[in-house]
Amino acid sequence: ILNVEQSPQSLHVQEGDSTNFTCSFPSSNFYALHWYRWETAKSPEALFVMTLNGDEKKKGRISATLNTKEGYSYLYIKGSQPEDSATYLCAPTSGGGADGLTFGKGTHLIIQP
Amino acid sequence: DTEVTQTPKHLVMGMTNKKSLKCEQHMGHRAMYWYKQKAKKPPELMFVYSYEKLSINESVPSRFSPECPNSSLLNLHLHALQPEDSALYLCASSQELGAANYGYTFGSGTRLTVV
Repeated sequence: ILNVEQSPQSLHVQEGDSTNFTCSFPSSNFYALHWYRWETAKSPEALFVMTLNGDEKKKGRISATLNTKEGYSYLYIKGSQPEDSATYLCAPTSGGGADGLTFGKGTHLIIQP
Repeated sequence: DTEVTQTPKHLVMGMTNKKSLKCEQHMGHRAMYWYKQKAKKPPELMFVYSYEKLSINESVPSRFSPECPNSSLLNLHLHALQPEDSALYLCASSQELGAANYGYTFGSGTRLTVV
């Protein structure tokens, strides 16, 4: 079981503003880092899977960066919209990824119109 | 078909009942997972199946019994549960266990209440 920290736990952002939050994880034996968006009463939705140090991935207004040497990933949302309101979960894997995903507690994002 | 389907969506059961949760996917994924999620906490891994064989059991009590009858189906048999077992049970699948560049596909879960 990996020690995963996400911050902040909760975030209120005005519509149109940009925001970012952090996922910290052990850097040793790193394999991959997953980001998920989870809206209430829906399935967690895969956003990104990242494996390479320095990697940056983008999906519309959402992007993520990865630093495997220091053990952190940032998720950025540009021009927040009400539909971005959700809990964002990160899950690192180690040791070849054979252990399943261990999720952080998530960042609960609320976009205020 | 790109979904993981879980049934039932809601289940209320007594502590002496036996019930089963079902999970189905037709994406050809060879790894399937059961997660338990309590309010205000992240999903916690319970079981991992890889190629229909149990790969990981995260010290789950024996009142939870998983079964993978074929590559598309994953069941979770429940017996003599306690009220504290009330939670959202999520099923997920992935291409293969340890496939680095692939995300998991989650079902929408079964909301279980034990009375």
